[in-house]
Amino acid sequence: DTGVSQDPRHKITKRGQNVTFRCDPISEHNRLYWYRQTLGQGPEFLTYFQNEAQLEKSRLLSDRFSAERPKGSFSTLEIQRTEQGDSAMYLCASTSQSLLEKLFFGSGTQLSVL
Amino acid sequence: GQQVMQIPQYQHVQEGEDFTTYCNSSTTLSNIQWYKQRPGGHPVFLIQLVKSGEVKKQKRLTFQFGEAKKNSSLHITATQTTDVGTYFCAGGQAGNNRKLIWGLGTSLAVNP
Repeated sequence: DTGVSQDPRHKITKRGQNVTFRCDPISEHNRLYWYRQTLGQGPEFLTYFQNEAQLEKSRLLSDRFSAERPKGSFSTLEIQRTEQGDSAMYLCASTSQSLLEKLFFGSGTQLSVL
Repeated sequence: GQQVMQIPQYQHVQEGEDFTTYCNSSTTLSNIQWYKQRPGGHPVFLIQLVKSGEVKKQKRLTFQFGEAKKNSSLHITATQTTDVGTYFCAGGQAGNNRKLIWGLGTSLAVNP
């Protein structure tokens, strides 16, 4: 499978717990994005990596959110002290400059905070 | 801030009818992309338009980018049940093409 993969597919957690999601992009893609999507809404930009460098982060993003891409390959998104409002689908997408930012999305991680 | 408005929010058609969704930006876009998201699925890239006035076709789908690069449309001729899903436009910002501004999407339902 050469698509974008995300793990886990579903995560249920209690308010206040920390969660971490993983994204494995398409191997030749050097750009990686995290988006959040709630029902009836379009994807909301969270952050963007080019190789291992985090080049942009949404100003709307709480400091409870952190993302890494240590070796320029897979990425992790951590949410600390989760809140019910964090419940959403977290989507990862990858691309490369040669693709003119055409995004390839993973299947997402559905987070439910109880 | 920059916004991309998309209308209608919902559209319900009989199979065989045509369908159009419109996308309008408050600012000039560098490019516009269209994605389709099936129920329970993730967005899948359909097309990218870059040039002013550009028109592209994919079988029954016709995509247009306005002359001012502020609006776009997706037209589906003779809808089929396989067209069901939410269609999103996403605009690239001039000077920052990496961060797309997404519309809220148009959800299409098709009655067989």
